[in-house]
Order: sequence, then structure tokens, then C-alpha cells
Amino acid sequence: KQEVTQIPAALSVPEGENLVLNCSFTDSAIYNLQWFRQDPGKGLTSLLLIQSSQREQTSGRLNASLDKSSGRSTLYIAASQPGDSATYLCAGDNNAGNMLTFGGGTRLMVKP
Amino acid sequence: NAGVTQTPKFRVLKTGQSMTLLCAQDMNHEYMYWYRQDPGMGLRLIHYSVGEGTTAKGEVPDGYNVSRLKKQNFLLGLESAAPSQTSVYFCASSWRGYNEQFFGPGTRLTVL
Repeated sequence: KQEVTQIPAALSVPEGENLVLNCSFTDSAIYNLQWFRQDPGKGLTSLLLIQSSQREQTSGRLNASLDKSSGRSTLYIAASQPGDSATYLCAGDNNAGNMLTFGGGTRLMVKP
Repeated sequence: NAGVTQTPKFRVLKTGQSMTLLCAQDMNHEYMYWYRQDPGMGLRLIHYSVGEGTTAKGEVPDGYNVSRLKKQNFLLGLESAAPSQTSVYFCASSWRGYNEQFFGPGTRLTVL
């Protein structure tokens, strides 16, 4: 059974800092890897989807990478801002493409 | 273009009562999903549908039923609510499998 882990569970950084969020998974047969953002009391907003044949995706200040052989994905946030404060979740798609397995999330606080 | 919407936003039930949660999407997506989010357990898949008239079990299906009579709607039913079903329920949809999933705002359900 796929297990997805995100470490650390919480992170506090000063504004302007570049940071990396980590996601690891146990089954390298993962197909796609998706990163989400969740604000308190809200739904999930999709940030980036890295498909099986890709190694990374970029959107604005965000860059996500996927290394299936090592079972790891990272989300890089450049020049962090207080508005980036949220919980970030990663999720891996199974080979059937019908189930996402989620990590527990990293709660990010960016201090002004 | 509303994306994925969920009704209701909040609900309080007594043990043994029944209710139906409604999910609607206007993106013409084939796949729809129901997840629950619990502290310390993350997001877990309850049921999903790969097209109109189809449903399948996810990771935690017990105590729930679903129906997909119309492509744009996915209903989640609780026939006899239990306190263990207190959770935040999220609906999601995707074009097909292996595609980016888009989430609704969630329904916060409390079972007393």
C-alpha cells in the first residue's frame, strides 16, 4: 500500500526566504504527483501536477520536482510571502489513475 | 464557471439520522471523487466514479453509498450516521484518470 509522508509537519520562515517542502512515497510505481495548497477552513487548490514522464513543473514562484527512483518530490517556493502561509499537501496517483494517496501536509507560516 | 460546488457547507446530525451530500461540477469531467479529511489521518478516498452511472469503492467506503445518475452530479449518502463519520467531506473531479483533480470547498459534518 502506498504511503506518503511530508516532513516537516510545520515550518516557519521569514518573508523573502526561499524554501523547500519535502514529500516522500513508498511505492515507486506512483504515476502522477500533485501538489495542493489548503487554507484554513477551505478546500484544496491544485498547484502543480507532475506527470509520470516528467521530472519537474514550474508555475510562477513554485517549482516541483519528482524523482520516482528515490521516492521523493520537492516543492520549491522562491521569495516567500506572507500570503504563501497555508498547508501544502502532496498526493500520488496510483497506476490505475483512480486514487490519490495524500501526505499529512506541511503547515507553512511566512512571517512579515 | 463555478468549478466544483458542494451542498450543504455545514450540517449537524444525530446518530442514526440519514443525509445526502451533493457535489456538482460544470467542467464536463468524467471522474468524480469523495474524500474525507480527519486530523491525523489526512485525506482518504471514500468512493469514486469514472463516468455517469458508475461508482466504485475507495479506501474507506463502509457506511457510505454513492450515486452518479447525471455526469455533473455525484451524491454521497449516509444511511445511518455515526459519530465516527464526523469529518470534513471533499468532492473532487478530473477530466479522466491520471489528470489534475479539482476540489470543492468541503462540507463540515458533525454527528452527535
